[in-house]
Amino acid sequence: GAVVSQHPSRVICKSGTSVKIECRSLDFQATTMFWYRQFPKQSLMLMATSNEGSKATYEQGVEKDKFLINHASLTLSTLTVTSAHPEDSSFYICSATRAGGQDNEQFFGPGTRLTVL
Amino acid sequence: AQSVTQLGSHVSVSEGALVLLRCNYSSSVPPYLFWYVQYPNQGLQLLLKYTTGATLVKGINGFEAEFKKSETSFHLTKPSAHMSDAAEYFCAVTTNAGKSTFGDGTTLTVKP
Repeated sequence: GAVVSQHPSRVICKSGTSVKIECRSLDFQATTMFWYRQFPKQSLMLMATSNEGSKATYEQGVEKDKFLINHASLTLSTLTVTSAHPEDSSFYICSATRAGGQDNEQFFGPGTRLTVL
Repeated sequence: AQSVTQLGSHVSVSEGALVLLRCNYSSSVPPYLFWYVQYPNQGLQLLLKYTTGATLVKGINGFEAEFKKSETSFHLTKPSAHMSDAAEYFCAVTTNAGKSTFGDGTTLTVKP
């Protein structure tokens, strides 16, 4: 149990377009979902924390108008990269914590590779 | 505030040798500690975690880690490395709010 999926797994887009990435908890309800980005050979950098039905909390330095997060249900959060530019190319990973979970374990999605041309 | 330091960005061992990946943390509250493994172009897979109770934690694939509060450490070990263990390993500390801080990662190379 506790499977998290992401869609798409890879996306290539032109500069200036917007890209939406979905994160779904398949077999549990997710109280909180997290969005990370990871550059090659680097660690995960937390971008924002998303709670169902409320506004996301963004980390310092992350532009909330550029990275739009919607958490419409307990099983789905979306990240939209608006007006993407080549510097937004990265590996985006989401994670979710289970409602009722007691040890704050995060379950990670497989990641989405975004390439902006 | 919390932070994680992984000593050694690259560790290379021979197949069958002991694996030791080091992790030190700082946290203002009792931490939850995790080790994850990441294979290329994939998400993170949980190896093991420490929340409360026994300080020696056993995980998947023969890995284990010991929580040492006095040393603020949570080093990952495996008695005998396999070729399939070659990957990136991340140590993370998580607060009650669920927000995690990750170390910079350690690349494990296993030589035949």
